[in-house]
Amino acid sequence: DADVTQTPRNRITKTGKRIMLECSQTKGHDRMYWYRQDPGLGLRLIYYSFDVKDINKGEISDGYSVSRQAQAKFSLSLESAIPNQTALYFCATSDEPGQSGYTFGSGTRLTVV
Amino acid sequence: AQKVTQAQTEISVVEKEDVTLDCVYETRDTTYYLFWYKQPPSGELVFLIRRNSFDEQNEISGRYSWNFQKSTSSFNFTITASQVVDSAVYFCALSALNSGGYQKVTFGIGTKLQVIP
Repeated sequence: DADVTQTPRNRITKTGKRIMLECSQTKGHDRMYWYRQDPGLGLRLIYYSFDVKDINKGEISDGYSVSRQAQAKFSLSLESAIPNQTALYFCATSDEPGQSGYTFGSGTRLTVV
Repeated sequence: AQKVTQAQTEISVVEKEDVTLDCVYETRDTTYYLFWYKQPPSGELVFLIRRNSFDEQNEISGRYSWNFQKSTSSFNFTITASQVVDSAVYFCALSALNSGGYQKVTFGIGTKLQVIP
C-alpha cells in the first residue's frame, strides 16, 4: 500500500456541487498538507494541520475547507465548486520538528465544468 | 516570508547532454531546508534531496549533483549525461525555521525538462 493514498484519482464535477477529496497516510506523521498545482504556478498551499486539533489556512484557502478526522486522515472539501478550482490536488505528510521532506500522495485531478 | 524562484520554465536538451536547473531562494531565517522534487509525466511527486542551511557541501548521486551556495542564495541541480527518463518537471522548495517551527514548504513554479532522444 502507498504511504499516502488519495481518493479519488480523477473527478469531474459540475459547478456548484460539493465535493470531498480524501487523504490517508500510513507514515504515522502528525503533519498533513493540501496543495494544488496549476500550470505556471507551481504548488500552492491550501491548508495544513500539525495534529488533529491544529488546522491552519495556507495561502489560497478561500473556497476550501478541511477536516482532520484522525491522525491518519485529512480531507479537503470544496463547498461549492467553481471552474477555476480545476487543478491537480496533492496531499502530503511530513514528520516533525524538522523537515525531512514531504511524502506526497499520487494526486487527484479535479475538473469542474 | 519565503520565496523560491525557478527562472527557467522549460528546458530542452538532447540526450547525453548535461543540464543545470537553477533555483534561487529568499528567506530571512538563518536555519532552513532546501529540497528538489521530480514530477514525471505520470504526475506523482518524487523527493530527490534535502539540504540544510548549515551544510554547503555539494552532493552527487549518480548522474545527479547539487550545488548549494549561500552567498548567492542558490541551490542548483545538474543532471549529467541526460536521459529520456529524466524528462519531468522539477521543483525546488524551501522550508525555513521561524518562531512557528518548520511550518510549511514553499515551492518554486517548476522547470519542465524535456530530453530529446
